[in-house]
Amino acid sequence: GQNIDQPTEMTATEGAIVQINCTYQTSGFNGLFWYQQHAGEAPTFLSYNVLDGLEEKGRFSSFLSRSKGYSYLLLKELQMKDSASYLCAVRVNNAGNMLTFGGGTRLMVKP
Amino acid sequence: DTAVSQTPKYLVTQMGNDKSIKCEQNLGHDTMYWYKQDSKKFLKIMFSYNNKELIINETVPNRFSPKSPDKAHLNLHINSLELGDSAVYFCASSPGHEQYFGPGTRLTVT
Repeated sequence: GQNIDQPTEMTATEGAIVQINCTYQTSGFNGLFWYQQHAGEAPTFLSYNVLDGLEEKGRFSSFLSRSKGYSYLLLKELQMKDSASYLCAVRVNNAGNMLTFGGGTRLMVKP
Repeated sequence: DTAVSQTPKYLVTQMGNDKSIKCEQNLGHDTMYWYKQDSKKFLKIMFSYNNKELIINETVPNRFSPKSPDKAHLNLHINSLELGDSAVYFCASSPGHEQYFGPGTRLTVT
């Protein structure tokens, strides 16, 4: 099975930078994903890493280290609308592209 | 609009009943999924399905069964509903990497 850990809650200030960490233990690793979920809504795709390094997409970046079983999501120039849960998910080989999600990190952005 | 849609949005029913949730995607994706999100917001995969293969998460009770009349639809049928089945159920589809989620169905079993 997979074991995925991320902080339960984080708080940050509007305009600041926040880093949300995710560690995982799995065999047959085949990609790490980040999703954003606002309260009462569906998750939406943010990023995908399968090789080591940083993937940048606008204000959001995601980093992966496969040897360390570690990823982070970096959010820059925080806006109030970034208040949401951020879900880390791992995909493994031979599992029909199914994702196993961590418990999510609830981010609160304050003025 | 191109999207993943689910019906109903809310479903309240009694223990022991049988119910279905419908999911449709018009994105042309080959693979569809069902997830359960419990009261603690933990999102858990239930099924992965494309037109060739069904993969079942081994922890899912056999009271749950996916039914796919065609490539664009993956419905979820639940027999003998239990209190613990109360959750939000999300359907999703994928062309490869990213998954596109439907709006969810909030199921309440009383």
